[in-house]
Amino acid sequence: KAGVTQTPRYLIKTRGQQVTLSCSPISGHRSVSWYQQTPGQGLQFLFEYFSETQRNKGNFPGRFSGRQFSNSRSEMNVSTLELGDSALYLCASSSGLLRATEAFFGQGTRLTVV
Amino acid sequence: QQQVKQSPQSLIVQKGGISIINCAYENTAFDYFPWYQQFPGKGPALLIAIRPDVSEKKEGRFTISFNKSAKQFSLHIMDSQPGDSATYFCAASTGNQFYFGTGTSLTVIP
Repeated sequence: KAGVTQTPRYLIKTRGQQVTLSCSPISGHRSVSWYQQTPGQGLQFLFEYFSETQRNKGNFPGRFSGRQFSNSRSEMNVSTLELGDSALYLCASSSGLLRATEAFFGQGTRLTVV
Repeated sequence: QQQVKQSPQSLIVQKGGISIINCAYENTAFDYFPWYQQFPGKGPALLIAIRPDVSEKKEGRFTISFNKSAKQFSLHIMDSQPGDSATYFCAASTGNQFYFGTGTSLTVIP
């Protein structure tokens, strides 16, 4: 069974630009969650998508957005990039049942904003 | 506000020793408590998880101890090996939103 796939693995962008990250969950999983990981803040929850709908949202500005497609693949978009957006962005795949179950992470996308 | 508090921040253990990492939470609605292991440049990998109706769960050298009344849980790594050197995160979840501890950097000295 293939794991969670995130693309691209690395990105370098300039302040003010926008970026789109992609996540393909484990086959059969319907929930995709996104996290930002930085040395200072640890793993911070961005949002969760289930059946193409945003089900949960963390405390991030509106510049961070996402969507999910009918095949459960998800994209995350960050507009008007700031230096502080430099981080490892992780997505996690799970079955999406209302009661939490195992969540599996991808390798992440390392975003550097210069 | 940190929903899950993890300690210590770093830990150095001799090969063959026991590594213990502790976590505490406040929200009694949490009903799933996983531990993740992360190596540099990799995403977190699920190690072991427990639900609050169980006080202990063991998988190989890894054991979770759970104290519901104290709202604390801990990871014990028995017979620690240099290959266990990584960052460990505890987490707690209600529904599908996970709250992570700040991580513990474990170094196992040969």
